[in-house]
Amino acid sequence: AQSVSQHNHHVILSEAASLELGCNYSYGGTVNLFWYVQYPGQHLQLLLKYFSGDPLVKGIKGFEAEFIKSKFSFNLRKPSVQWSDTAEYFCAVNPTTSGTYKYIFGTGTRLKVLA
Amino acid sequence: AAGVIQSPRHLIKEKRETATLKCYPIPRHDTVYWYQQGPGQDPQFLISFYEKMQSDKGSIPDRFSAQQFSDYHSELNMSSLELGDSALYFCASSSLTSGGPRRDTQYFGPGTRLTVL
Repeated sequence: AQSVSQHNHHVILSEAASLELGCNYSYGGTVNLFWYVQYPGQHLQLLLKYFSGDPLVKGIKGFEAEFIKSKFSFNLRKPSVQWSDTAEYFCAVNPTTSGTYKYIFGTGTRLKVLA
Repeated sequence: AAGVIQSPRHLIKEKRETATLKCYPIPRHDTVYWYQQGPGQDPQFLISFYEKMQSDKGSIPDRFSAQQFSDYHSELNMSSLELGDSALYFCASSSLTSGGPRRDTQYFGPGTRLTVL
């Protein structure tokens, strides 16, 4: 079955520290990849997305992600986090060639940034 | 920019009651998706509609039904509510017609928090 794994469930960082959140998926076909952020009490907001082309994609708020096809990974990075980045981060995969348009979400990573 | 609108934002029901959740997609979006997010869990896909026809079905209980209307808004009807139905229900919309399935990006609404007592 298709699945998305986010291995870091909780991450605590100090401000200005660098961030990398892992995301791996299990699907052999063509995929679209997304990272969403959910601030406390709010809805999912799109951070960035990958469809094709340059595997390094840049998103909003200084986030970027790299698609490594051979590793089935799409890790999220930010060089220097801020207190306002405290939120939950979800990786999502859309297996485009499976005939479905639904997203499969990872279990999320709760990031807490200490001021 | 206009976003996805969901109503109500909060809903409290008793067991065995019914509930109707509404979703108004971004203008000119033709596809609506429903997700359920339990406490501390990731969103789980329930059902989707493209051009008013059901396009995909996930782990939606038989007690739930949904439809998309001619103005593209969608309603999720939930009957015989159970305690386990308490969750945040997200609606997302996208434009498959313009973007195509290869470039579908879903935009999420604020969600309806359903509490079943």
